[in-house]
Amino acid sequence: GAGVSQSPRYKVTKRGQDVALRCDPISGHVSLYWYRQALGQGPEFLTYFNYEAQQDKSGLPNDRFSAERPEGSISTLTIQRTEQRDSAMYRCASSSVAHSSSYNEQFFGPGTRLTVL
Amino acid sequence: AQKITQTQPGMFVQEKEAVTLDCTYDTSDPSYGLFWYKQPSSGEMIFLIYQGSYDQQNATEGRYSLNFQKARKSANLVISASQLGDSAMYFCAMRVQSFQKLVFGTGTRLLVSP
Repeated sequence: GAGVSQSPRYKVTKRGQDVALRCDPISGHVSLYWYRQALGQGPEFLTYFNYEAQQDKSGLPNDRFSAERPEGSISTLTIQRTEQRDSAMYRCASSSVAHSSSYNEQFFGPGTRLTVL
Repeated sequence: AQKITQTQPGMFVQEKEAVTLDCTYDTSDPSYGLFWYKQPSSGEMIFLIYQGSYDQQNATEGRYSLNFQKARKSANLVISASQLGDSAMYFCAMRVQSFQKLVFGTGTRLLVSP
């Protein structure tokens, strides 16, 4: 596709349910990032992958959050036993390079707005 | 640790005027990059401009320019000739060479009036 896509765009769930958020990066992009954005705040880093390897998961809030990218393309962020405080916009981004470089433009997807009732 | 500070929660500007959005950063890494993103009400994140820590000149992209003052650790965004479509949330972000994640500030909401 032309850009990063995410699905679903909106997800409403009840407290205690598990949710899976999907990210489809730009074709050929090797790095994929997950961020969470609370209302009125900037995005906060959760985790990222180079190819299928999860390189940094230091931003995941607790062990209810996990992410995978088994084939180095599509990624899924899973939140188990959701809580109301998990309500936020979850954004995915991808970039074309994996090596450490300060210039590494990340292209963001439209986000998934998660609401936990 | 890396930190971005945006001290202006909101800014107002009249159409066709220039406006400066402030951003200060903190890092001990000598190699880093600074980014500005625009987030309109639609919610998308639009990349505007990038400045590298070793770049000698201030970055410019059309009506956007970055006033980079390394000693002061500031990277202010200047929008010239504001347009109504510039009304949005603006985020400053930093990436250090040691890590690939972006660290964002809290954002500045810009409102452009006719």
